[in-house]
Order: sequence, then C-alpha cells, then structure tokens
Amino acid sequence: GAGVSQSPRYKVAKRGQDVALRCDPISGHVSLFWYQQALGQGPEFLTYFQNEAQLDKSGLPSDRFFAERPEGSVSTLKIQRTQQEDSAVYLCASSLEGLDNEQFFGPGTRLTVL
Amino acid sequence: GENVEQHPSTLSVQEGDSAVIKCTYSDSASNYFPWYKQELGKRPQLIIDIRSNVGEKKDQRIAVTLNKTAKHFSLHITETQPEDSAVYFCVSSPGASKIIFGSGTRLSIRP
Repeated sequence: GAGVSQSPRYKVAKRGQDVALRCDPISGHVSLFWYQQALGQGPEFLTYFQNEAQLDKSGLPSDRFFAERPEGSVSTLKIQRTQQEDSAVYLCASSLEGLDNEQFFGPGTRLTVL
Repeated sequence: GENVEQHPSTLSVQEGDSAVIKCTYSDSASNYFPWYKQELGKRPQLIIDIRSNVGEKKDQRIAVTLNKTAKHFSLHITETQPEDSAVYFCVSSPGASKIIFGSGTRLSIRP
C-alpha cells in the first residue's frame, strides 16, 4: 500500500513568510509524529498526535510553530514568520498506535529560508 | 531532562568485520528501543527494535542487546557489507508521549 507522503518536497521561503507543510500518513495509522532534522543531525521530536488529539507539543521550538490534525488523518505543520534557523528537513512519521511501534517516515520536506 | 547518548559518532570498518554502536538513555521508564537506518538523502527506516522485557534480539546479521539496569543498549552488525554504509540512530521513548533520537553514527564500510 501507499506509504507516508509529504508535500511539498522542497520549499524556499523568504524570511518572514508563513509556510504550511502537509503530511499524509498511512491509512489507518492512529499516531502521527513531526520531526525537524538539521543537516548532519538526528531527527528532533516536535509533536505527536493520537488521532486528532495533540498529545505532546513540547518539541515545538517556538510559538511560531503550529501543528494540527483536525480529522485524525492528514496533518499540517505551519511555521509563521519563518527565520533562517528554521531551515531544515521536516519529517513526518506514522505508526499503528502509540510510541512503541515501528514508525514509517515520509520523504520529508526540505525547507530553506533565505 | 531525558536524553540519549550515542557512540561513536563515526565508525569505519573493513568489509566482513563487525560493527558495534552503543547508546545510553536516562529515563528508566523507557521500554521500547528501536534502531533506524538512514541512507544519504533517504528517510529513516526501522532495522530492528527491542522491548524492555527482552535482553537480546537477533535478525540475520543484526542484533540488539539491552541492559535495563545499566540503561544501555547496543546494535551489532556482523559480516558487514557495503550496503550497510549509512547513518544509524538509536531511539528511546521516555514517558508517555515523547521520542528521543540519538545523535547518530555514520558507519562506513571499507572494501
């Protein structure tokens, strides 16, 4: 079946612009995760959804970052007033349920803020 | 706070030799420890995982060991092959809603 998909794959934004990144998880997967991966680093946890409920958003770097999953399927990560330090690959992953199951990652969105 | 320390950061081994990557975690509540492999420009993919009620798990050339008392877990790759070259991440799940990735080990296999 189809894996996790993300769009756009690449995004270039001018500093101060707002961006929206989309994640389509595997159908039937209850849990959805967002990560930020800087060049040469490991994925950094941002936030976690169980269905439509955002159970943890402690990893979001600032209040400029906002994530939602209104119908418990597709999720959007929004970054307002982008800064250069927001440049990274944003990875989305889904799992059947919970934190103790295999996570299936999407290809990521590479965000470059100029 | 909770963290995961991973060593070494880079590792170069001769093809056919074994590779070992070690991780230490801080939160004793962690009970699930997966390992992900990320090839250059690709997405992370699970290669093996272990739960806290098991001390060792093996899958062909890959094995993982867990010492809950010492809060250590390790990845062992035997008979390394060129396609094993990648970055490997250990992961811990402290508490009920958080995931922590190690800093990664870049493994290179010398022909």
